[in-house]
Amino acid sequence: DSGVVQSPRHIIKEKGGRSVLTCIPISGHSNVVWYQQTLGKELKFLIQHYEKVERDKGFLPSRFSVQQFDDYHSEMNMSALELEDSAMYFCASSLVWGGYAEQFFGPGTRLTVL
Amino acid sequence: AQSVTQPDARVTVSEGASLQLRCKYSYSGTPYLFWYVQYPRQGLQLLLKYYSGDPVVQGVNGFEAEFSKSNSSFHLRKASVHWSDSAVYFCALSSSGSWQLIFGSGTQLTVMP
Repeated sequence: DSGVVQSPRHIIKEKGGRSVLTCIPISGHSNVVWYQQTLGKELKFLIQHYEKVERDKGFLPSRFSVQQFDDYHSEMNMSALELEDSAMYFCASSLVWGGYAEQFFGPGTRLTVL
Repeated sequence: AQSVTQPDARVTVSEGASLQLRCKYSYSGTPYLFWYVQYPRQGLQLLLKYYSGDPVVQGVNGFEAEFSKSNSSFHLRKASVHWSDSAVYFCALSSSGSWQLIFGSGTQLTVMP
């Protein structure tokens, strides 16, 4: 399968803990976007990197940081986890950074904070 | 500010019936508009997209959407739904002002056999 890969698929952490989510984009895609989905519905834009440069930031908490590496994979480092961080985290990749570029979504990581 | 509104949180239709899912957007310029579908426990998949040209755009699996600048709308339609169309449908917008995708709150579609 040559789709977007996310790991882990499900992770449980205690409040105040830390976690790292990984996203491997489709080969050739250099644009990676992170979204948070809560209550199974609402999708919030968190942050977007293109060619390893942060291009746009949305609802990303200051406790979280995101980096895109030379091979374009992306990691979200989450610290001081709060109960409200429990959600699905999706990453999406696209060929280019631009309004019309189709974003391909990964299967998501379910984060549960206890 | 840009925004997307999907006024119907849940829609239930019978298999074989026609479907319209509503989407209204707020943006002063010309937006890029998308419809995505999310099946249970999966990521989102693109159904169709629109930027310019013919206001009726065809997508996958028999879906189409019609753009209306005067009504600021981008409604999704299907002539005959199948039980496998049951999913959550998201309308989204982006623009040259900000390339981030702004999603509506989604519409849960249930197709009754």
